[in-house]
Amino acid sequence: NAGVMQNPRHLVRRRGQEARLRCSPMKGHSHVYWYRQLPEEGLKFMVYLQKENIIDESGMPKERFSAEFPKEGPSILRIQQVVRGDSAAYFCASSPPGSGEQFFGPGTRLTVL
Amino acid sequence: GQQVMQIPQYQHVQEGEDFTTYCNSSTTLSNIQWYKQRPGGHPVFLIQLVKSGEVKKQKRLTFQFGEAKKNSSLHITATQTTDVGTYFCAVMGGGSNYKLTFGKGTLLTVNP
Repeated sequence: NAGVMQNPRHLVRRRGQEARLRCSPMKGHSHVYWYRQLPEEGLKFMVYLQKENIIDESGMPKERFSAEFPKEGPSILRIQQVVRGDSAAYFCASSPPGSGEQFFGPGTRLTVL
Repeated sequence: GQQVMQIPQYQHVQEGEDFTTYCNSSTTLSNIQWYKQRPGGHPVFLIQLVKSGEVKKQKRLTFQFGEAKKNSSLHITATQTTDVGTYFCAVMGGGSNYKLTFGKGTLLTVNP
């Protein structure tokens, strides 16, 4: 059973470009969470999705950030017009329904030049 | 929102010494989770504590949940170089049963 997969593992963007981060949850998991980790900080919750639904996006910046989890395919975290402050590690986690345990993917490390 | 304070921020030990990290909250917690993140890696779930006064052991790791459910600790006996990493506590917060709020973590380094 493959774990949570994220790609790319490393992403470099120039200011103003778009970043697309992908996450495939573990098989059988229908809940996906995105977290952001700044250097030497803990993880900060961004958004919680189920298939085709955003359940809680209270941790997402109001502008430039969006997330989706379509019926088919991976969950996508999209950052438009990136700025240097967006540089961070973005982790996706998944869980099966009814479970409090979240399984984390390897993360995407975004660097904005 | 719910917050947890974690101390110390850094801990450097000689191999074979013990290590403890503490997590404190001003409010009563429904449960607490512990994660380990190796340098350059991702958080890996270690354990969840739910009951007041609960103590759980995993080999050299001992996890405790305070009687008042406001604090927790992770203790490692006789550290090894493989224990290097950042240890985070995390709580379900904001009235949800899914939104994890992480402490800032304790970075453990071990001198061989």
